[in-house]
Amino acid sequence: DQQVKQNSPSLSVQEGRISILNCDYTNSMFDYFLWYKKYPAEGPTFLISISSIKDKNEDGRFTVFLNKSAKHLSLHIVPSQPGDSAVYFCAASDPTFSGGYNKLIFGAGTRLAVHP
Amino acid sequence: DARVTQTPRHKVTEMGQEVTMRCQPILGHNTVFWYRQTMMQGLELLAYFRNRAPLDDSGMPKDRFSAEMPDATLATLKIQPSEPRDSAVYFCASGTNTEAFFGQGTRLTVV
Repeated sequence: DQQVKQNSPSLSVQEGRISILNCDYTNSMFDYFLWYKKYPAEGPTFLISISSIKDKNEDGRFTVFLNKSAKHLSLHIVPSQPGDSAVYFCAASDPTFSGGYNKLIFGAGTRLAVHP
Repeated sequence: DARVTQTPRHKVTEMGQEVTMRCQPILGHNTVFWYRQTMMQGLELLAYFRNRAPLDDSGMPKDRFSAEMPDATLATLKIQPSEPRDSAVYFCASGTNTEAFFGQGTRLTVV
């Protein structure tokens, strides 16, 4: 039972346009959300995050939106560039984990292709 | 430039053989994760250590997988015996509070 879902395995966008990657979660106790970017043959790298007390966080071309009532977040990239082509993972932090450290739960990833 | 280092980067082995993957976390990080990347499940959490103590290994097949941190500079993930279905990319990550920094992964192929 996946608690973090990325229902679109792939997305193709033209350079200069907006890329919107979506993520849904099931656990209302999640309090922090992150997006990671992964190039082939490399490990995922942190991109942007948002706390559950906010509904938007912006960093340059990247903006993450959080809709807690819908248990949905999205990553907007504008304008999209060919170098943005990668797999994007959504992750949620579970503060209820008994180990006393927030457990990161990842989605299956969305492969973004930005073409000229 | 601090980074998580994983060895080997690639491993091809025959079914039934023992496989050991190693990870050197970033100095000062007290949390280490092992993840496995598969096409269907994305990044699955296999094990999680805090201050070298295992806190969660519920994602690991207990009969064949084991994870240890013999010291603060080394984490290991062992599979014995390995099976073809274990073929995947295994990532180690170390972290502080809510962020995880990943290594480049070990691509394991069991034939």
